[in-house]
Amino acid sequence: AQSVAQPEDQVNVAEGNPLTVKCTYSVSGNPYLFWYVQYPNRGLQFLLKYITGDNLVKGSYGFEAEFNKSQTSFHLKKPSALVSDSALYFCAVRVPSSGGYQKVTFGTGTKLQVIP
Amino acid sequence: EAGVAQSPRYKIIEKRQSVAFWCNPISGHATLYWYQQILGQGPKLLIQFQNNGVVDDSQLPKDRFSAERLKGVDSTLKIQPAKLEDSAVYLCASSLKQGTYTEAFFGQGTRLTVV
Repeated sequence: AQSVAQPEDQVNVAEGNPLTVKCTYSVSGNPYLFWYVQYPNRGLQFLLKYITGDNLVKGSYGFEAEFNKSQTSFHLKKPSALVSDSALYFCAVRVPSSGGYQKVTFGTGTKLQVIP
Repeated sequence: EAGVAQSPRYKIIEKRQSVAFWCNPISGHATLYWYQQILGQGPKLLIQFQNNGVVDDSQLPKDRFSAERLKGVDSTLKIQPAKLEDSAVYLCASSLKQGTYTEAFFGQGTRLTVV
């Protein structure tokens, strides 16, 4: 069974500092990995995805993520945090299922707090 | 491009009552998902449609939850009767189609409170 782990419930970072939100996955087969952000009282918004190719993927709002196959990780990063980045971040993994469709599993989320 | 539309935004009902949520996906999106997000948790897939057919409803509590997407466009999710533990945000999402590794687009969700 596929799973996604976000080991930190909350990450605090000072404005202007680099940020990292961690994600590890467990799948049988090639994973397709996604990051979503959720602002209060809003639905999830897509940030970026890894399908294949370059291990470093760039996404919206200056975010990037690095796919590391040996460590089964897909950490979200940003060089310089903004207060407006404060939100809930979800990692998700998508793999083909035996039924021929794509099954998506979300992590439990990490609350990012950027301190002015 | 219009996003995924959901209604209502908020709903408060008493336990054992019934409730229905509506979702209109992005035009042209063949795949539609309903997720349940309990406070402090990640979204949990309840049901996934490909056009008007169900491809995954393994986590749908079928004794009380039902969903349909009759014409392969908009969808309704119903709970009957509701329990206290059904209090959650119900998210609808859509994506282009299966077989393509596209991201899902989410609506704003319906916050259900069962009292």
